[in-house]
Amino acid sequence: AQTVTQSQPEMSVQEAETVTLSCTYDTSENNYYLFWYKQPPSRQMILVIRQEAYKQQNATENRFSVNFQKAAKSFSLKISDSQLGDTAMYFCAFMMSRAAGNKLTFGGGTRVLVKP
Amino acid sequence: NAGVTQTPKFRVLKTGQSMTLLCAQDMNHEYMYWYRQDPGMGLRLIHYSVGEGTTAKGEVPDGYNVSRLKKQNFLLGLESAAPSQTSVYFCASSRPYQPQHFGDGTRLSIL
Repeated sequence: AQTVTQSQPEMSVQEAETVTLSCTYDTSENNYYLFWYKQPPSRQMILVIRQEAYKQQNATENRFSVNFQKAAKSFSLKISDSQLGDTAMYFCAFMMSRAAGNKLTFGGGTRVLVKP
Repeated sequence: NAGVTQTPKFRVLKTGQSMTLLCAQDMNHEYMYWYRQDPGMGLRLIHYSVGEGTTAKGEVPDGYNVSRLKKQNFLLGLESAAPSQTSVYFCASSRPYQPQHFGDGTRLSIL
């Protein structure tokens, strides 16, 4: 079974600064997908960014970027120029390519607080 | 665009009562999922479906049943609610190999 670990329960960052969230996972699979989801106080689950394991290039979406280290099984999220609206829980998630139903395995989450 | 709609948004039950949570999606997605989220934790998969008429167990299926009689709907049932089932329930849907789209969640309290 796959496991996803987020070792930082909570992080705070000043507005306009950069914060990096860590995520490690355990799998014997070679083909898979990784995601970061954001959950603001409104409770919605919002996709932030995705990474396909077969792609060496790190994914980027505006102020959000990842550092994907396949050999180390690490998938960190960097939030640049942090904004107050980035305050939320962030969940790392893993999905096997060949598993029926493309089920997601979530980490326990990291709470990010952006301070003005 | 409605996306994924969950009904109801809040519910309080007494121990032993039954209820059904409804999830509807208008994106013609093949796959649908039910998760629960307990305080301070990530989402855990209860049951999922890869198509109309099919269902399968996830990580925490005990005490729940599901049905997918129509492609756009996925029902989650609690036959005899227990306090341990107090949680926030999320429904999601997706196409194969694509990110899941989530509903806004249902907060369920069982007294």
